[in-house]
Amino acid sequence: DAKTTQPPSMDCAEGRAANLPCNHSTISGNEYVYWYRQIHSQGPQYIIHGLKNNETNEMASLIITEDRKSSTLILPHATLRDTAVYYCIVHTGNQFYFGTGTSLTVIP
Amino acid sequence: NAGVMQNPRHLVRRRGQEARLRCSPMKGHSHVYWYRQLPEEGLKFMVYLQKENIIDESGMPKERFSAEFPKEGPSILRIQQVVRGDSAAYFCASSTSGGNQNTEAFFGQGTRLTVV
Repeated sequence: DAKTTQPPSMDCAEGRAANLPCNHSTISGNEYVYWYRQIHSQGPQYIIHGLKNNETNEMASLIITEDRKSSTLILPHATLRDTAVYYCIVHTGNQFYFGTGTSLTVIP
Repeated sequence: NAGVMQNPRHLVRRRGQEARLRCSPMKGHSHVYWYRQLPEEGLKFMVYLQKENIIDESGMPKERFSAEFPKEGPSILRIQQVVRGDSAAYFCASSTSGGNQNTEAFFGQGTRLTVV
């Protein structure tokens, strides 16, 4: 029961913006979109979340389409330390539903 | 403010033994989630608990697995009679409010369970 769809892998040049897409066409009106990342086998790290408005913090920006069926996580200036698996998650209230994620590799 | 603390970080058990994984949430957090990650796979939800209550255990295997979050002390994930298929990384996350979806959860560094 996949709630989100992400490309399995992406590359990004160091210093450039990394744009990670996510489809969540079955999202309900009160469900938030969250992004986490997992570096190697560490615990997932919270990045950002939103409902319908675009959000920005010190780590990233989140752009959510008007129909809320998709979103994009933007890392404005990717560094080598941003190499990780990025998970787009729909928060259903009782759980954060992790999909398979996008493996982002930042290339020097 | 310390983050979510999980211990032990690594646990080795022989088949048939019991495994107890502990999770101390962040200060002020009263909601705990447990996730399991098999090698080369994503995180799978197991259980969501509030202090002294199990809210959602839809991801828990029907047998051998149990979880608790007492009024005092850490949350415990207990696996009885472990089998090799239980070998995985177990992650705990905590939040201030689980029912409010506008609340992020913070994860610990996990417990790596190896069953030999």
